[in-house]
Amino acid sequence: DIQMTQSPSSVSASVGDRVTITCRASQGINSWLAWYQQKPGKAPKLLIYAATTLESGVPSRFSGSGSGTDFTLTISSLQPEDFATYYCQQANSFPFTFGPGTKVDIK
Amino acid sequence: QVQLVQSGADVKKPGASVKVSCEASGFTFTSYSINWVRQASGQGLEWMGWMNPNSGDSGSAPKFQGRVTFTRNTSISTAYMELSNLRSEDSAVYFCARRLTGGLYYFNYWGQGTLLTVSS
Repeated sequence: DIQMTQSPSSVSASVGDRVTITCRASQGINSWLAWYQQKPGKAPKLLIYAATTLESGVPSRFSGSGSGTDFTLTISSLQPEDFATYYCQQANSFPFTFGPGTKVDIK
Repeated sequence: QVQLVQSGADVKKPGASVKVSCEASGFTFTSYSINWVRQASGQGLEWMGWMNPNSGDSGSAPKFQGRVTFTRNTSISTAYMELSNLRSEDSAVYFCARRLTGGLYYFNYWGQGTLLTVSS
């Protein structure tokens, strides 16, 4: 199985801050990577897929980059509704695996 | 609009089986793979497997092979996930999710989740 790691595990930030989350795959996955946002008690929401493609309806302050083994999710200006946990997911090979999550909370 | 509506919370004893349903609406059920993802309390997401509602073909993560079965009833646009020989570690919220258009294994529509508690 491909192992996914994320850093940091949590980050405290203020509204308006730029936040960057990193995801690393244990082997190369080309650009087969997605980012999800999850709020407590809710299902995950797809933000970005194919490493850089913004899902329809997702604000442009979210962006993704990377390929191979190293990927980044950036929130350019954190908004109140962005406080949540973020997960990466590899879609390169079965079984699909998720990172452990990064919690973004209020400083 | 696309919706996936799951069955309600359930409590099972160790060794029992559970069957969770996922009713689809707002799209052609047989055109999109349905996947299952679970999340233990306070933990991350774990992909369990997939099913093609058109053919009935399915596959599961190695961890669940032999214990999980994916089925569907196309007449009512409903997918099912059955997990057998339950243990306490199977206590989790189970989500069904639809793949993106184009056959990519990214999930842009999710059910609301079904809480399973396994306890004696």
